[in-house]
Amino acid sequence: QLVLTQSPSASASLGGSVKLTCTLSSGHSSYAIAWHQQQPEKGPRYLMKLNSDGSHSKGDGIPDRFSGSSSGAERYLTISSLQSEDEADYYCQTWGTGIRGVFGGGTKLTVL
Amino acid sequence: EVQLVESGGGLVQPGRSLRLSCAASGFTFDDYAMHWVRQAPGKGLEWVSAISWNSGGIGYADSVKGRFTISRDNAKNSLYLQMNSLRAEDTAVYYCAKDLTYDSSGPGDYWGQGTLVTVSS
Repeated sequence: QLVLTQSPSASASLGGSVKLTCTLSSGHSSYAIAWHQQQPEKGPRYLMKLNSDGSHSKGDGIPDRFSGSSSGAERYLTISSLQSEDEADYYCQTWGTGIRGVFGGGTKLTVL
Repeated sequence: EVQLVESGGGLVQPGRSLRLSCAASGFTFDDYAMHWVRQAPGKGLEWVSAISWNSGGIGYADSVKGRFTISRDNAKNSLYLQMNSLRAEDTAVYYCAKDLTYDSSGPGDYWGQGTLVTVSS
């Protein structure tokens, strides 16, 4: 079964950096994912598509502070030079084979 | 500029029906697959359904299969979600999203602002 696992919460200091993790379930380590950001009371915003080899393509207007990387079944989102507006929920998504979609449970990022 | 504007949400009684619409602009609508994604109050995102560029490929989450029907009208640049036999657990903000690809093999890269559906007696 295709499942994405995320830690419920993370925190980091203003101006610092944070690395969020999304883990693909067993047997699905080659899958690409996408990262989405959802600021409080707003709709989601696409950040990037991240492939298993770590290559990624970002959405329109996404700053260079946001980057992605991969290792095995893990997919990472790194945010550097943290700003207050980065405080948000971050979701990973994959789509498997056939027409379906799967989201991780989301990580709530607090900027201290 | 890509814009997706959902409409049709509201308060509906359990067992009744509702039809959501999503008006698209700023891109060639019939070149891309489209998705519906929902978010229950205080919860995470849940994928609901997707449709390929020409309606030849359609998929549903198990939670809505047999009750919801996705469709699109490329001439009107519009996406729809017909929701029947609504349940309290269908209460959520419903978002439409444009796929990166034409055949629903990718993520949503643009999202609407959402429309709230409340199922309650």
